[in-house]
Amino acid sequence: RKEVEQDPGPFNVPEGATVAFNCTYSNSASQSFFWYRQDCRKEPKLLMSVYSSGNEDGRFTAQLNRASQYISLLIRDSKLSDSATYLCVVGRSGGYNKLIFGAGTRLAVHP
Amino acid sequence: SQTIHQWPATLVQPVGSPLSLECTVEGTSNPNLYWYRQAAGRGLQLLFYSVGIGQISSEVPQNLSASRPQDRQFILSSKKLLLSDSGFYLCAWSVGAAGELFFGEGSRLTVL
Repeated sequence: RKEVEQDPGPFNVPEGATVAFNCTYSNSASQSFFWYRQDCRKEPKLLMSVYSSGNEDGRFTAQLNRASQYISLLIRDSKLSDSATYLCVVGRSGGYNKLIFGAGTRLAVHP
Repeated sequence: SQTIHQWPATLVQPVGSPLSLECTVEGTSNPNLYWYRQAAGRGLQLLFYSVGIGQISSEVPQNLSASRPQDRQFILSSKKLLLSDSGFYLCAWSVGAAGELFFGEGSRLTVL
């Protein structure tokens, strides 16, 4: 079983739609959680950190459920520019910052 | 502000040839440095990390090696490339265990 699992998609949605991505992780010792965005053939970039209380950044909302070891990302009012691959990332500290990346969920927003 | 650069951006190498990818970070001191590989359609795999000059840890046994000759320089090498070494190589840095990784632009390697 992979340490971080995501639905690979692709999710094809029209502009303005709301889309939700899910992610599960297997290591209960995980301490930090993130969503990264990766455009085609580019490097990943941090979209947002995920906190236990949940957090929102504009149209993006991230939730964490430690009991179920589950992370989600909700995108409201999708834009064409949201088309990308979204990577769920889970980290454990211990002398260095070891982040485990999911394989990503691809989102395609169409007009 | 901090910047990270890696090169070359793209390279095509024959099987059995050597490899050297270089990464430098500017604007920060004593960063944690990382090399990741992303195979086509796959997630990022951590190859090496370094918490200081000359300190290298390997995550997976492989055909590659890494070195950190200076505080802000990280090099990925191979003496003889394999077909399976093809992929998108990403250098990254972080400050301690702060959480966020900052990635370089990536080096796309094709081994033929």
